[in-house]
Amino acid sequence: QVQLVESGGGVVQPGGSLRLSCTASGFTFSSYAMHWVRQAPGKGLEWVAFIRYDGNNKNYADSVKGRFAISRDNSNNTVFLQMNSLKTEDTAVYYCAKDLIGTVTWYFHHWGQGTLVTVSS
Amino acid sequence: DIQMTQSPSSVSASVGDRVTITCRASPGIRSWLAWYQQKPGKAPELLIYAASTLQSGVPSRFSGSGSGTDFTLTISSLQPEDFATYFCQQANSFPITFGQGTRLEIK
Repeated sequence: QVQLVESGGGVVQPGGSLRLSCTASGFTFSSYAMHWVRQAPGKGLEWVAFIRYDGNNKNYADSVKGRFAISRDNSNNTVFLQMNSLKTEDTAVYYCAKDLIGTVTWYFHHWGQGTLVTVSS
Repeated sequence: DIQMTQSPSSVSASVGDRVTITCRASPGIRSWLAWYQQKPGKAPELLIYAASTLQSGVPSRFSGSGSGTDFTLTISSLQPEDFATYFCQQANSFPITFGQGTRLEIK
């Protein structure tokens, strides 16, 4: 079955950096677009970033553009989110999510369990 | 950005009740809409996509309808496991946006 396992979350000071990883199994990773979605404590869902199946197309929410970078390693079934210049408002649980079908649909079919990022001094 | 507005923000209902949640998109999004269910401490789960297509494995008591600007999620007969928070999401254009959520509570 499909599994997505995030890691790399933790506590970081404002202005700091973190790199999140999401390791996938149970499907042909290299055929699917992947996304990062976050949820601040007690709040709603916010889409953060997208990467096409081959890594050649990426897009970001305005709130993270220029600070976050999404990438993937299809040989190791992993998608990454490099987060720089972190702000307190980036505090959230970060989920990676698999697109519904091979051609990107922007529907988030499978989700990981999430990893908590806390930005605080 | 496309604004997604859900109503109500919370609703109380009993097991066996029929419940409808509404999502309004501004501007319109054709049928590019999904519904998710989220339980406390868990990741969201996809229920419906393309406004009315039931995701495989989702009980048939869930249904979705609408197009353009107005959409509904209906649960025909509430079960104990349905008490959760529900989010709509537009997939029409960047940036992808979600509604603020509707919390479904036990009466």
